[in-house]
Amino acid sequence: GEDVEQSLFLSVREGDSSVINCTYTDSSSTYLYWYKQEPGAGLQLLTYIFSNMDMKQDQRLTVLLNKKDKHLSLRIADTQTGDSAIYFCAESIISGTYKYIFGTGTRLKVLA
Amino acid sequence: NAGVTQTPKFRVLKTGQSMTLLCAQDMNHEYMYWYRQDPGMGLRLIHYSVGEGTTAKGEVPDGYNVSRLKKQNFLLGLESAAPSQTSVYFCASSYPGSGSDVTPKNIQYFGAGTRLSVL
Repeated sequence: GEDVEQSLFLSVREGDSSVINCTYTDSSSTYLYWYKQEPGAGLQLLTYIFSNMDMKQDQRLTVLLNKKDKHLSLRIADTQTGDSAIYFCAESIISGTYKYIFGTGTRLKVLA
Repeated sequence: NAGVTQTPKFRVLKTGQSMTLLCAQDMNHEYMYWYRQDPGMGLRLIHYSVGEGTTAKGEVPDGYNVSRLKKQNFLLGLESAAPSQTSVYFCASSYPGSGSDVTPKNIQYFGAGTRLSVL
């Protein structure tokens, strides 16, 4: 079945790198996304990767995709206190409805 | 540019009461979705719509009904609220598009959420 798993919590010190991991089960996913949810707000798209890519870099963000292991990671370089939020990975299954399957979310806490 | 707007932002209900949550989008998106967010469970899809006048069940539809009479609006109804429906509800919308390696199809845009407590 379709399932996306993430660890629930991650704590890092300001200036360090953060790595948030995600595993998914559906190998037919064509796009994988990272969304950020700040306290009291909705989700905002942070970045995404197409399934035929291994890596995507966007400023402080690096996304790595290992299709063989169905593993996705988000690395945030030089983590700042403003990065404290919940991060969701999601896979998009092209089934005519374009539904997302979201992970449980990882709460990132950045310590000053 | 409003994007996706949800009303109300907060609501407290007693068991058995009914209410309707409104989602409005001004991006001319075809698809709209209602999710609930519970601690440790991520977002779960309640119902969705792929166009005006159409709706479909998601992962957790029981106890909810929806309507999409106008393209820009997607309503979520609770006919008889239960404490198990205490949650944060999010609406999202998306445009399927053609997609490419550079720009994916179906980026979902979310509202700010409605926090509902059922006592």
